[in-house]
Amino acid sequence: SQTIHQWPATLVQPVGSPLSLECTVEGTSNPNLYWYRQAAGRGLQLLFYSVGIGQISSEVPQNLSASRPQDRQFILSSKKLLLSDSGFYLCAWSVDRLGRARSGNTIYFGEGSWLTVV
Amino acid sequence: SQKIEQNSEALNIQEGKTATLTCNYTNYSPAYLQWYRQDPGRGPVFLLLIRENEKEKRKERLKVTFDTTLKQSLFHITASQPADSATYLCALPRPSGGSYIPTFGRGTSLIVHP
Repeated sequence: SQTIHQWPATLVQPVGSPLSLECTVEGTSNPNLYWYRQAAGRGLQLLFYSVGIGQISSEVPQNLSASRPQDRQFILSSKKLLLSDSGFYLCAWSVDRLGRARSGNTIYFGEGSWLTVV
Repeated sequence: SQKIEQNSEALNIQEGKTATLTCNYTNYSPAYLQWYRQDPGRGPVFLLLIRENEKEKRKERLKVTFDTTLKQSLFHITASQPADSATYLCALPRPSGGSYIPTFGRGTSLIVHP
């Protein structure tokens, strides 16, 4: 069966410090990978998605970046955190088949990472 | 622009009653619509998918309807229980660069009182 792991679960970082959140998926190959952010009282905001190694699409311009160095590894980074970067970050995956995506592409989420920038 | 709207106010109901949540969308022509459940501090979990050619879908105490003319989906939980208390999100596939990206509404919080 497929599993998704995301870490760290919680972190408190000072403004201007770097960030690295990691996510790995097991039990599937060539998944679509996603990073979402959920600020307090807000909805899920898609930050980045990737359909393959080295292929990253950014949804929202910001000081965050994403990388996919391996098929099932997705990393969210920042060189200098802002207060507004605080939130609940969720990694997710879905099957990478366009036909499946057209007819019903379930997305599976990790447990999330709570980031507080102070 | 494309929008997904869910009632931002929490829905409070008594145990045993039917809860009905609404998802409205504009500027989409989705092939399907999904509903997810999110508990506090956790990632959303998939519940149901309904396709554009389906009017209604059921799974145990859950029922989803999909009206592509009204651009609306209704999510029903019958015989609700306190354990059903959570935030429920609807999601639509948004075409982007040859793929379909799951895009979520803000969710509606359901509180079931014993």
